[in-house]
Amino acid sequence: QQQVKQSPQSLIVQKGGISIINCAYENTAFDYFPWYQQFPGKGPALLIAIRPDVSEKKEGRFTISFNKSAKQFSLHIMDSQPGDSATYFCAASPFFGGGTRLMVKP
Amino acid sequence: GAVVSQHPSWVICKSGTSVKIECRSLDFQATTMFWYRQFPKQSLMLMATSNEGSKATYEQGVEKDKFLINHASLTLSTLTVTSAHPEDSSFYICSARDPRDGGLETQYFGPGTRLLVL
Repeated sequence: QQQVKQSPQSLIVQKGGISIINCAYENTAFDYFPWYQQFPGKGPALLIAIRPDVSEKKEGRFTISFNKSAKQFSLHIMDSQPGDSATYFCAASPFFGGGTRLMVKP
Repeated sequence: GAVVSQHPSWVICKSGTSVKIECRSLDFQATTMFWYRQFPKQSLMLMATSNEGSKATYEQGVEKDKFLINHASLTLSTLTVTSAHPEDSSFYICSARDPRDGGLETQYFGPGTRLLVL
């Protein structure tokens, strides 16, 4: 069920830095691409989402960049904070990527 | 945003028994619900898509007879793990789409149910 490929698997960023997570998909029928944040023992929480007719969407410190022709999209977390440390999942709804464990060092 | 609950949050059972997990949309009517399984430090694997009033659509490799899904009302879907075995121990998470989102595919996730089969 490798509908969505996500990289890197883990990421360490210094406080204040930019965290970048990438995803790629194959099926062009997908038309909704959310990003989720998950803390241990909790269900995933929606962070930000994009439709393929938009190339970029920004909400606060979170930005999605979407390249429809390449079938790739990415999440940028600006000014990363220790509280951002969590596992992040991209999705081509309803299928999830493999996840990225982000650690933001103080 | 919309709220989805799951019950129970934790369940421990003996091998061979059946376990039922409930997923409820609390403030909206969900025509579509999804069931996922998540193993430790792994991603969420879609098990099945549940549509109210019809049979669930299972993903490849998921045993229909083992994981029984019933979406009997617009606010409730249940997952029954039949004849559970230790390898079924996992974190089960449901999600629901809110039709009030105007065609968007936003999924609202429940808090998950941790199943441990002894």
